[in-house]
Amino acid sequence: DQQVKQNSPSLSVQEGRISILNCDYTNSMFDYFLWYKKYPAEGPTFLISISSIKDKNEDGRFTVFLNKSAKHLSLHIVPSQPGDSAVYFCAASGSGGSNYKLTFGKGTLLTVNP
Amino acid sequence: DGGITQSPKYLFRKEGQNVTLSCEQNLNHDAMYWYRQDPGQGLRLIYYSQIVNDFQKGDIAEGYSVSREKKESFPLTVTSAQKNPTAFYLCASSTSTVLNQPQHFGDGTRLSIL
Repeated sequence: DQQVKQNSPSLSVQEGRISILNCDYTNSMFDYFLWYKKYPAEGPTFLISISSIKDKNEDGRFTVFLNKSAKHLSLHIVPSQPGDSAVYFCAASGSGGSNYKLTFGKGTLLTVNP
Repeated sequence: DGGITQSPKYLFRKEGQNVTLSCEQNLNHDAMYWYRQDPGQGLRLIYYSQIVNDFQKGDIAEGYSVSREKKESFPLTVTSAQKNPTAFYLCASSTSTVLNQPQHFGDGTRLSIL
């Protein structure tokens, strides 16, 4: 039972355009959401997070949007750069004593074409 | 520079052999974690530790063991009881398992069977 789903295995965009990566979750106890970026043979790098009390968080070119009623979050990258090409993982955790556990989606491979 | 160091980067195991993966952090983080990644999959939690001399099983702990004798170190042993050990293993740490804080990852160890 996949509690965090990234339904698009891959996404291709042109340099300078917007990249939108999507993530859906099923567990209503999740209240903290994160995006990680991963290059081959390296560990994931934390990008940005959002708690359930907010619906938007922005950090430079990266913005995460959270729609709690739809159990959906998205990562926007504007403008996209070739160096953004990587696998992006969405992750979620619950509150209180269980928020040690990050539940990950399977990832979306983003390719930014020059 | 502060960070998480995993060694070795590549490891080979013979049938019936136990192997130990090293994870060291100098971020002064209390919590440490071990994840496993299989091709096309998200990360799955093996074990985590909230504090020295304490650790808890994650979702897929069977065939693995850990210790946390020092704050900086959280080695993972893949025992001969783990029948499908070939995977990419990632160690992570965070300031706490209680607060909503991102986990930061090392660069991983790829384990293969000879």
